[in-house]
Amino acid sequence: QKEVEQNSGPLSVPEGAIASLNCTYSDRGSQSFFWYRQYSGKSPELIMFIYSNGDKEDGRFTAQLNKASQYVSLLIRDSQPSDSATYLCAVKRYGTASKLTFGTGTRLQVTL
Amino acid sequence: GAGVSQSPSNKVTEKGKDVELRCDPISGHTALYWYRQSLGQGLEFLIYFQGNSAPDKSGLPSDRFSAERTGGSVSTLTIQRTQQEDSAVYLCASSPSLQRPETQYFGPGTRLLVL
Repeated sequence: QKEVEQNSGPLSVPEGAIASLNCTYSDRGSQSFFWYRQYSGKSPELIMFIYSNGDKEDGRFTAQLNKASQYVSLLIRDSQPSDSATYLCAVKRYGTASKLTFGTGTRLQVTL
Repeated sequence: GAGVSQSPSNKVTEKGKDVELRCDPISGHTALYWYRQSLGQGLEFLIYFQGNSAPDKSGLPSDRFSAERTGGSVSTLTIQRTQQEDSAVYLCASSPSLQRPETQYFGPGTRLLVL
């Protein structure tokens, strides 16, 4: 079992819809959780991070964390074509400084 | 200000040759990280530095890989006797502090192709 699992996609949503990206992790010692966006041929950029159970909202983005079920999700409201990218989920284990373990990413396609 | 820079942007080498990849972190960032991203794969952690020290080298794939950081700034990742499976994008990131992983900023990467 991979430490961080994501559906590779592609996840296709129409413009204006809500995109829901999911990530599960196996290590119960995971402390903090990150969502990165990576455009093709570019480096990852941080979208959201979350430490506590529940929801965290930032503009059109909402991160949801459920530590009991070991999943974290990213919701993108009012999806735009510019949101088309690969979204990487990453986790940091307690006591491992800033060592992040990444999933393989979900490719999102927002269609017109 | 300037972001993380990496050089070369692309490197093609022959199997068995040594390569050096360079990372210039954001000025003032004490923490520096190296990752590898193979085709269709997520980012794989290789090593991080706090200042010039690398407390955790467990992510280096083999003893052909080494990294150093001097002056608390520039870092070099060296791959000796390259193999075809070393072909990947090597990404460097830096952050002001190890305690704040959300502040990691990635460089543009070095695309390494081993023929």
